[in-house]
Amino acid sequence: EPEVTQTPSHQVTQMGQEVILRCVPISNHLYFYWYRQILGQKVEFLVSFYNNEISEKSEIFDDQFSVERPDGSNFTLKIRSTKLEDSAMYFCASSPRKGWMGQETQYFGPGTRLLVL
Amino acid sequence: SQQGEEDPQALSIQEGENATMNCSYKTSINNLQWYRQNSGRGLVHLILIRSNEREKHSGRLRVTLDTSKKSSSLLITASRAADTASYFCATASWDGNNRLAFGKGNQVVVIP
Repeated sequence: EPEVTQTPSHQVTQMGQEVILRCVPISNHLYFYWYRQILGQKVEFLVSFYNNEISEKSEIFDDQFSVERPDGSNFTLKIRSTKLEDSAMYFCASSPRKGWMGQETQYFGPGTRLLVL
Repeated sequence: SQQGEEDPQALSIQEGENATMNCSYKTSINNLQWYRQNSGRGLVHLILIRSNEREKHSGRLRVTLDTSKKSSSLLITASRAADTASYFCATASWDGNNRLAFGKGNQVVVIP
């Protein structure tokens, strides 16, 4: 069964460093998402992406964050200058269509656990 | 903004028993989805129920949706030790976007 994959599974970085989290969505999906989950807290929406541009972003997704689909398969989240509070599990998700009957399900990857020291 | 909110109770049950957890939300929704998360792992999609549906089944899972009360329930029948996990509801709105708003999650422990 196709699945969303993410790399790396864990990343440790120093505050102020740039990190890039990578995702390979399910191949025939058109919508891509990033969410994060700070330890012990809710899963929070960061950004959605369609047709090579951002569809929607949350207030968390400030200028330090960016997303890119550099080729036909990868979807990346970049944090330019990490802060301690960026420590979280970051989930990538994809869905076939948006708001279309039977196509709304978002399939999540296993996550990247980011620790900022 | 919409928000899924589960009753924050942790649930501990014996294997074979049924587990029920609830979720409430605040605004109009397009659909509501339930996910499972094993400790420190990814989110596994369990079931999606649309706003015009009242009940849905998938294997040992039964989901109900009451849009008048803005609430949903997830029932796991004949629980197994492998059902031990956190369960989250997440809602998607009608506003043309597909962002999911997650609740805090319910921790379920099934004792063998």
